[in-house]
Amino acid sequence: DAKTTQPNSMESNEEEPVHLPCNHSTISGTDYIHWYRQLPSQGPEYVIHGLTSNVNNRMASLAIAEDRKSSTLILHRATLRDAAVYYCILRRPSNTGKLIFGQGTTLQVKP
Amino acid sequence: DTEVTQTPKHLVMGMTNKKSLKCEQHMGHRAMYWYKQKAKKPPELMFVYSYEKLSINESVPSRFSPECPNSSLLNLHLHALQPEDSALYLCASGRWGGETQYFGPGTRLLVL
Repeated sequence: DAKTTQPNSMESNEEEPVHLPCNHSTISGTDYIHWYRQLPSQGPEYVIHGLTSNVNNRMASLAIAEDRKSSTLILHRATLRDAAVYYCILRRPSNTGKLIFGQGTTLQVKP
Repeated sequence: DTEVTQTPKHLVMGMTNKKSLKCEQHMGHRAMYWYKQKAKKPPELMFVYSYEKLSINESVPSRFSPECPNSSLLNLHLHALQPEDSALYLCASGRWGGETQYFGPGTRLLVL
């Protein structure tokens, strides 16, 4: 399984945009890029995923580099509730749905 | 209903005890998963069930015994655990071949 590299921690101010980077230089052509986040004392929750094109949903946006070796999760206006560990995961299409979590980025949001 | 429930929330057990963790979902998902998460670490996959059959065992010690009695329920039977097995045990479900997994809140296990 291809590996992802994320900064250990990041800080943001409330109501400002947050850009969370992820490097995945060994990504294969069929790997999807998934993002999950884990709020304190909760299980992980799905945020967004994409293959090649940028993606938007109600939670976030995902910007994927043209060579797909990196991606950025964008939270448009951080709130205190967005303080969590954010995991960038490469998932090869298969029926198993297997997720291999990396170390993740701990996001702290300051009021 | 997009909820995965897990019981109990907390569990303390001795090394000679037998206990079970329970996970339930009513989303019609046919893939169910057990993950283990140690403090300050990411979740690690333990088992995958598809259509009530064990599909993947990530070389988990036999003191952990999963069971999927029907399409809504997933159990994890625990026997003769070690203190290093203390962790948060997470259950997840998803459509087989689908993109998204839905996680429960976990059971926090302490082995004394």
